[in-house]
Amino acid sequence: AQSVTQLGSHVSVSEGALVLLRCNYSSSVPPYLFWYVQYPNQGLQLLLKYTSAATLVKGINGFEAEFKKSETSFHLTKPSAHMSDAAEYFCAVRNTGNQFYFGTGTSLTVIP
Amino acid sequence: ETGVTQSPTHLIKTRGQQVTLRCSSQSGHNTVSWYQQALGQGPQFIFQYYREEENGRGNFPPRFSGLQFPNYSSELNVNALELDDSALYLCASSTSAGTGGSGANVLTFGAGSRLTVL
Repeated sequence: AQSVTQLGSHVSVSEGALVLLRCNYSSSVPPYLFWYVQYPNQGLQLLLKYTSAATLVKGINGFEAEFKKSETSFHLTKPSAHMSDAAEYFCAVRNTGNQFYFGTGTSLTVIP
Repeated sequence: ETGVTQSPTHLIKTRGQQVTLRCSSQSGHNTVSWYQQALGQGPQFIFQYYREEENGRGNFPPRFSGLQFPNYSSELNVNALELDDSALYLCASSTSAGTGGSGANVLTFGAGSRLTVL
């Protein structure tokens, strides 16, 4: 079975500081991994995806994530936080049946 | 291109009632998935429809059912509503579920229908 675990349900950073949101996966096969963002009262928006082409994946809004097989991790980072980054972030793994399994989410607060 | 649209955006029901939620998929997408997102949780997979047939189901009871229409739009029906059914229901569309392991497949989500069961 495939699953993801997000460490830290709440993360606070100062504006301009590094953002690091953690995600570890469990999969018996090479995984397809995703990060989605959810703003209040909205659906989920794709930030980036890993499909084995490259271990460092760049997404929208300056976010990137690095796939580390040895650590079974796919952490999301952004060098400099902006106030508009405040949102809920979800890591997800997709199986071959196109079914997505999401983590419990990390709420990012950006302090001015 | 139009995105995924869902209706209604909010609704309130009482225990035991039935509800139907609707979803129009993004142009060019042939697969629709439904997810339940309880407050403070990540989305949970309910089921997926491809070519008007259920093509995968999560751990939800049979009172959760769905339909997909020839234009790829979809409905989620929930019978005998329970208090724990209160949640945000998200519809997502994608392409080519039938081809399975394509890494290019991503989900495009609608804004959701927020159901409150009293």
